Amino acid sequence: EADIYQTPRYLVIGTGKKITLECSQTMGHDKMYWYQQDPGMELHLIHYSYGVNSTEKGDLSSESTVSRIRTEHFPLTLESARPSHTSQYLCASSDTRGFASGQETQYFGPGTRLLVL
Amino acid sequence: AQTVTQSQPEMSVQEAETVTLSCTYDTSESNYYLFWYKQPPSRQMILVIRQEAYKQQNATENRFSVNFQKAAKSFSLKISDSQLGDTAMYFCAFMKGGNAGNMLTFGGGTRLMVKP
Repeated sequence: EADIYQTPRYLVIGTGKKITLECSQTMGHDKMYWYQQDPGMELHLIHYSYGVNSTEKGDLSSESTVSRIRTEHFPLTLESARPSHTSQYLCASSDTRGFASGQETQYFGPGTRLLVL
Repeated sequence: AQTVTQSQPEMSVQEAETVTLSCTYDTSESNYYLFWYKQPPSRQMILVIRQEAYKQQNATENRFSVNFQKAAKSFSLKISDSQLGDTAMYFCAFMKGGNAGNMLTFGGGTRLMVKP
């Protein structure tokens, strides 16, 4: 399995709390991604980063924010959690240096299942 | 914008038999890549197979092969000699080629159950 880690794996939290989902990879990959996935449904890209100090919004609008201060770390933050944020959040990374689009492989973390009460 | 459609929400197959998962996509791009990803229960999603749109030859990876029909915009996955470990959600995905930002667009997934 790929060297990409997410913590916590499961989180149950009350409405209004601030939460940070951690994602780290030890492969030196330049590009990192956050996807949101409801149970049994497709993945939707919510954030991505080309490298340090780069963050972009994905296809699906999200109230979360991300930061990329270090290559290996790409945390996602929700300032005030709501029940509508209940979902699974998947982090991924890829090494795009020297590859044309489509030639690199995205490696996924195990995901964080978030339940907001 | 691209769309990816998987018309089979759930499928089942007997161990050692062959199963085919369907995927269709819609795009106006000529340079693109198609992928099948596997997401086992409570485990990480992994890449199963990749197909470059400019290649006519269908990709194969051991027991996994694709039937890529570019004109029909169809990209099915065939799993031969199914094993219990193949039980998972399977996602078809699309990526534009060139310097388009390496974004994956996923289909809704097919839940495959391999029965002993």
